[in-house]
Amino acid sequence: NAGVTQTPKFQVLKTGQSMTLQCAQDMNHNSMYWYRQDPGMGLRLIYYSASEGTTDKGEVPNGYNVSRLNKREFSLRLESAAPSQTSVYFCASSAGTSAYNEQFFGPGTRLTVL
Amino acid sequence: QKEVEQDPGPLSVPEGAIVSLNCTYSNSAFQYFMWYRQYSRKGPELLMYTYSSGNKEDGRFTAQVDKSSKYISLFIRDSQPSDSATYLCAASPPQGGSEKLVFGKGTKLTVNP
Repeated sequence: NAGVTQTPKFQVLKTGQSMTLQCAQDMNHNSMYWYRQDPGMGLRLIYYSASEGTTDKGEVPNGYNVSRLNKREFSLRLESAAPSQTSVYFCASSAGTSAYNEQFFGPGTRLTVL
Repeated sequence: QKEVEQDPGPLSVPEGAIVSLNCTYSNSAFQYFMWYRQYSRKGPELLMYTYSSGNKEDGRFTAQVDKSSKYISLFIRDSQPSDSATYLCAASPPQGGSEKLVFGKGTKLTVNP
């Protein structure tokens, strides 16, 4: 089992460019999440998907869109990248959305916006 | 003020030392408390999980929650160089769901051989 996989691992964009971060999990989990991690800010939730077919905003959704393509895959799209979106992005999944459900994280995508 | 506060360190200790990592939180509704470990350039992984107050022990690791003072602690006994990582505390209320999980900023720990 690969767990949670993310592509790409690294990306450099110019301001205004768009890109999609891909995430897939092979644990048959219902819920998936996108976080960003910034120095001094910790992990912050961008969007989440409680189950296939649903998506909801997290703490910092502005500038992002998501798609829950199927039960396995959850993508994050930056339509017009800004330097403030330079960050490390983590995808996570959990069996359900109960507070005690462990979240399993992917290895991260390191994004730099120039 | 963030709901979960954590001293970012860094913290450097010699091998074999007892390490104490701490967080405070402000939301009295928090009932679920977690510690995640994050190695450099990796994703976080769940280390310990406790519900409400009390202690939980797992090998060299002990998680402690004091709800009266809103204090979360992780103790590492006989620390090893392999324990060098960033430790994130997290807390969640029982209502809502896992999307309500709030993370601290993380404390970077280095255990020197």
